[in-house]
Amino acid sequence: SQELEQSPQSLIVQEGKNLTINCTSSKTLYGLYWYKQKYGEGLIFLMMLQKGGEEESHEKITAKLDEKKQQSSLHITASQPSHAGIYLCGADNRDDKIIFGKGTRLHILP
Amino acid sequence: DAGITQSPRHKVTETGTPVTLRCHQTENHRYMYWYRQDPGHGLRLIHYSYGVKDTDKGEVSDGYSVSRSKTEDFLLTLESATSSQTSVYFCAISDQVRRHTIYFGEGSWLTVV
Repeated sequence: SQELEQSPQSLIVQEGKNLTINCTSSKTLYGLYWYKQKYGEGLIFLMMLQKGGEEESHEKITAKLDEKKQQSSLHITASQPSHAGIYLCGADNRDDKIIFGKGTRLHILP
Repeated sequence: DAGITQSPRHKVTETGTPVTLRCHQTENHRYMYWYRQDPGHGLRLIHYSYGVKDTDKGEVSDGYSVSRSKTEDFLLTLESATSSQTSVYFCAISDQVRRHTIYFGEGSWLTVV
């Protein structure tokens, strides 16, 4: 079965710094989705990537898809306290199921 | 925000009792999902539905059953709750055209004591 591994598991950065979160799939990626979850709340859809080399942006958050590496990276530029939360990647495994990684916890220090 | 309502939002129940969580959507989306979220495991799919009365198992379906008699409602039932089912449960929906965009409910916190 397909698995998604996110790295790092946890990240603490100073406000204003840039950061990157990675999501690597054990199988071919047909679609990759990024979600953000604030602590104790539901998940908010950020963006979807479907083609290799595709790049999407949502405010100061940019994600890229590398089909060959079966990987997606999410970049946050000039991080702000509002960026804090859990970031999850999800993937379509082509049988109506969407699976998710375990998430990356992001803390922003003021 | 997608029109997804989960109920109850919080529940404490005793081991061995049946529990039903309800997910109601107002978007007329075809696909509905139930996930559970636990520390160290992330989000795991319990069951999903691809239409009225059409359901299938996810990766952690043991101990759970689901029903979908109407497009808008997807019920998750724990026939006999166990402490291992203490978790946060999320309902999600997606449409047929943009199937890969999933919208989540606010979550249901279940504690089995």
